[in-house]
Amino acid sequence: QVQLQESGPGLVKPSETLSLTCAVSGYSISSGYYWGWIRQPPGKTLEWIGSISRTGNTFYTPSLKSRVTIAVDTSKNRVSLRLTSVTAADTAIYYCARHRFGALGDLDYWGQGTLVTVSS
Amino acid sequence: EVVLTQSPGTLSLSPGERATLSCRANQTVTSNYLAWYQQKPGQAPRLLIYGASTRATRIPDRFSGSGSGTDFTLTIVRLEPEDFAVYYCQHYATLPQPTFGQGTKVE
Repeated sequence: QVQLQESGPGLVKPSETLSLTCAVSGYSISSGYYWGWIRQPPGKTLEWIGSISRTGNTFYTPSLKSRVTIAVDTSKNRVSLRLTSVTAADTAIYYCARHRFGALGDLDYWGQGTLVTVSS
Repeated sequence: EVVLTQSPGTLSLSPGERATLSCRANQTVTSNYLAWYQQKPGQAPRLLIYGASTRATRIPDRFSGSGSGTDFTLTIVRLEPEDFAVYYCQHYATLPQPTFGQGTKVE
């Protein structure tokens, strides 16, 4: 059974960097698929952030591209997300998930999500 | 970018009733790359349907998806108590990024 688990600080100050990790179990990232990050502001819809392959090939949403970095560590079977210069608008639940189909595909396995609040 | 509009915003029904949710795109959805997700409070979304009409693994057959082009529908033929949730449609495999609708709450 594929399982994903996000971790990281729940509170980040404005202008600082948000850093999250997604640990994958039950499946080796080295075996394939793209792995994505999605966020959901409280009470709002979902927003796709980006995705990464086992070889480090990345895709990002244009609106965040200048501030986002997604990385993969196949030795530890995990992916990470960095978002710089955060503001209150970046407050959201952040999910990692597996893309079932390609780099921009639907998402068949999700982590439980982690709430990140941007506040001083 | 494809914009997805879901209707209605809220659907008030009783267990055993039929639910019909709509997802409309502002341009043609290529290759029917349209997915549906269910999200319950405090939980991550769960993939229900992909390819507009293919049920994901372990999804009960009371859930069905249909449609093509710009108009898509998720139908739940007999609502079970556990089906009351928010449902999102998603256009995937598309540049510049996959997009989600704003959601329909079934209460």
